[in-house]
Amino acid sequence: EVQLLESGGGLVQPGGSLRLSCAASGFTFSSYAMGWVRQAPGKGLEWVSTLDGTGGSRHYADSVKGRFTISRDTSMKTLSLDMNNLRRDDTAIYYCVKTPFFGGSFWHFDFWGRGTLVAVSS
Amino acid sequence: EIVLTQSPATLSLSPGERATLSCRASQSVSGYLAWYQQKPGQAPRLLIYDASDSAAGIPSRFRGSGSGTEFTLTISSLEPEDFAVYYCQQREEWPPTFGGGTRVDIK
Repeated sequence: EVQLLESGGGLVQPGGSLRLSCAASGFTFSSYAMGWVRQAPGKGLEWVSTLDGTGGSRHYADSVKGRFTISRDTSMKTLSLDMNNLRRDDTAIYYCVKTPFFGGSFWHFDFWGRGTLVAVSS
Repeated sequence: EIVLTQSPATLSLSPGERATLSCRASQSVSGYLAWYQQKPGQAPRLLIYDASDSAAGIPSRFRGSGSGTEFTLTISSLEPEDFAVYYCQQREEWPPTFGGGTRVDIK
């Protein structure tokens, strides 16, 4: 059974940093592109970032480019998102997502974690 | 980026009724459209991908159709657990984008 378990969310001041992690199990982690999708309170879904199976190809939404960095540790089966210079509009639930693809630039998301809340406020 | 417009915003129906949800794209997405279901306090769940292919474990009452710019998610007979918010998402063009959602609630 595929399981994705996020951690690392919390309250942070504007301009601060946070690192999200996603522990994956139930599938061959290195075979699939993984990513993050967020949802602001009461709002819709927004794709944030995706990383291919090798960890060599990274994609970011324009809204986070230059501030967020996605990475993966294949040995630990963990996906991470380093978030810097956080803004109030980054406040959202961040979902770890698996794609059914190894790489590429076009994905849908076949499994989702339960999410971790990031709140950016002073 | 491709904008997806979902309609109606809210659909009020009774259990057993048929639900028809629409997703319109600002330009062609070929057949690269997915549908997700999200219940309150839960993560989204993939229902349909590539317009009409069912994800694993999805009941047969959920059916996706369409191509180009017009897509439909049909729930043939609503079960109590189907009352939720539904989102469409395209992967034809980078970046992947989602529609604003349709809420299906109990009439």
